[in-house]
Amino acid sequence: SQQGEEDPQALSIQEGENATMNCSYKTSINNLQWYRQNSGRGLVHLILIRSNEREKHSGRLRVTLDTSKKSSSLLITASRAADTASYFCATDGGSGYSTLTFGKGTMLLVSP
Amino acid sequence: EAQVTQNPRYLITVTGKKLTVTCSQNMNHEYMSWYRQDPGLGLRQIYYSMNVEVTDKGDVPEGYKVSRKEKRNFPLILESPSPNQTSLYFCASSMKGGNSPLHFGNGTRLTVT
Repeated sequence: SQQGEEDPQALSIQEGENATMNCSYKTSINNLQWYRQNSGRGLVHLILIRSNEREKHSGRLRVTLDTSKKSSSLLITASRAADTASYFCATDGGSGYSTLTFGKGTMLLVSP
Repeated sequence: EAQVTQNPRYLITVTGKKLTVTCSQNMNHEYMSWYRQDPGLGLRQIYYSMNVEVTDKGDVPEGYKVSRKEKRNFPLILESPSPNQTSLYFCASSMKGGNSPLHFGNGTRLTVT
């Protein structure tokens, strides 16, 4: 079952603008992860945020996690054309050593 | 270089002809998993393995088999492929299942006619 659901499904912005994608999930988690996928290629891990963390940064990426609302957001600042890709959130089962399930993704288009 | 290697990259076959997609990782990861990706449906898990000789069904296991005889290899077997198994398949591995980042292969695009 797909626990994470990204919003919006698609996002189109200009270079230099910020892009925000949201993820909602249904059950408790140990961690939430964000991945990027360039067209037809394998997914690449971006950030892992644990359930006891509220915010995490990596370069131009900022991820927030609100476990009370069961939601997370990914912010890409100062977007570049190379950021054009699909972005997925993924959640674990919340109970020890578990598997990872993915949402359907947000397709981001950054125009020059 | 740390990587997950899938083969083949592209595969066209006919209904009913058994095939195997290989997956190998060189990172000594315990956990390996297979996903399929279809337009509008995102990534759906087929099977996963927590360690050697331990495999479990994911969300869409029907029509697939896996084995984990060695830590580094996790082949996906389609005993009798059907057109609804036409999809983009990804193998992935991690140190500790959902508690650590997944490393993905480059995918296998399978077409069953």
